[in-house]
Amino acid sequence: DAGVTQSPTHLIKTRGQQVTLRCSPISGHKSVSWYQQVLGQGPQFIFQYYEKEERGRGNFPDRFSARQFPNYSSELNVNALLLGDSALYLCASSLEVESVTSNQPQHFGDGTRLSIL
Amino acid sequence: AQSVAQPEDQVNVAEGNPLTVKCTYSVSGNPYLFWYVQYPNRGLQFLLKYITGDNLVKGSYGFEAEFNKSQTSFHLKKPSALVSDSALYFCALRGNQGGKLIFGQGTELSVKP
Repeated sequence: DAGVTQSPTHLIKTRGQQVTLRCSPISGHKSVSWYQQVLGQGPQFIFQYYEKEERGRGNFPDRFSARQFPNYSSELNVNALLLGDSALYLCASSLEVESVTSNQPQHFGDGTRLSIL
Repeated sequence: AQSVAQPEDQVNVAEGNPLTVKCTYSVSGNPYLFWYVQYPNRGLQFLLKYITGDNLVKGSYGFEAEFNKSQTSFHLKKPSALVSDSALYFCALRGNQGGKLIFGQGTELSVKP
């Protein structure tokens, strides 16, 4: 079975532009989470979506938005790009939306490397 | 506040020797802990998770983790390291939003022949 797939693998943008990143979860997984991993740091939570609804949001500005489609795939949009948005953007999927007492793991894709010039 | 700390940026081990990658956590309730590994230019790969009541948890590729509630630690271990274990290791804690994982800053493991 295919794992979590993300596209594109690499992207170069300039400051002020907008970008859309895409994610397809593992077949049967209904929940998608997005993370930002800046070089040398651990991933930081951006969003979780389940059944097309936002179920969690991290400490990111409103320039970041996302949505989930009926087939459970997801898009992350970032507007007005800043140099600091340069990072690896990771998508993770899980079977169901996780509660705060869940030990269900998330499964990650290989990410999209976004470089801002 | 919930947090995860990995006190070592880098761990160096000779092949065949045991390895330990350290993780400590802070949470008000019961901890839900995970270990992930990241190879260069790849995403995170799930290794193992803490199961309530089990102080020693076994995971993928011969890795295991030792949970210690009094020391609030969840150290990753392997009895005999392989060169192919060289990678970046992350400890993660379930956050106060269900879908949120809180990651440590990562530990670079280097296994030399």
